[in-house]
Amino acid sequence: GQSLEQPSEVTAVEGAIVQINCTYQTSGFYGLSWYQQHDGGAPTFLSYNALDGLEETGRFSSFLSRSDSYGYLLLQELQMKDSASYFCAVRDQGQAGTALIFGKGTTLSVSS
Amino acid sequence: DGGITQSPKYLFRKEGQNVTLSCEQNLNHDAMYWYRQDPGQGLRLIYYSQIVNDFQKGDIAEGYSVSREKKESFPLTVTSAQKNPTAFYLCASSAGLAGGHEQFFGPGTRLTVL
Repeated sequence: GQSLEQPSEVTAVEGAIVQINCTYQTSGFYGLSWYQQHDGGAPTFLSYNALDGLEETGRFSSFLSRSDSYGYLLLQELQMKDSASYFCAVRDQGQAGTALIFGKGTTLSVSS
Repeated sequence: DGGITQSPKYLFRKEGQNVTLSCEQNLNHDAMYWYRQDPGQGLRLIYYSQIVNDFQKGDIAEGYSVSREKKESFPLTVTSAQKNPTAFYLCASSAGLAGGHEQFFGPGTRLTVL
């Protein structure tokens, strides 16, 4: 089967940098996605890594190492509005490749 | 504006009743998905559809049914066979196989069984 592991909670202060790790086990691999979900809201897509390396989008960056089955989401210059849950996800090879399997999520709490 | 709509936002149901959750998208996406989210948990796939008149079971399809008669619509029925239906239900869409990594989500329906 496929599984993803990520920390359940992370805390940080405004202005800091935080890294949320994700390790995965899959029978096949297309790439790693990251989503943000504020409490009670809909998940929104943040980034996608298909190849090794770092992808940067503003204050957020995402990294992938295919050989280590590992990725992370890096959030810089943290703001209070970044308090949310963050999910990593992989394409589900057992479901014809379009459905996503999500991790259980990491709750980020940013304090002032 | 393009997007995904789900209705209703809150839904209450008595045990033993079937209920249908609506999901509509005007993004011209081929693929649509239904997920269930329980408190403190990730999203678990119920059903998905890659094209009209075709759909596939996800990891937790038991007690649920879907239809895909139109590209824009993918309703989910929670049947009385679903033993623990109280949850947050999220519908999503993507631009098919090539765009599956980027899914667009609706606002969700919170179902409570009384």
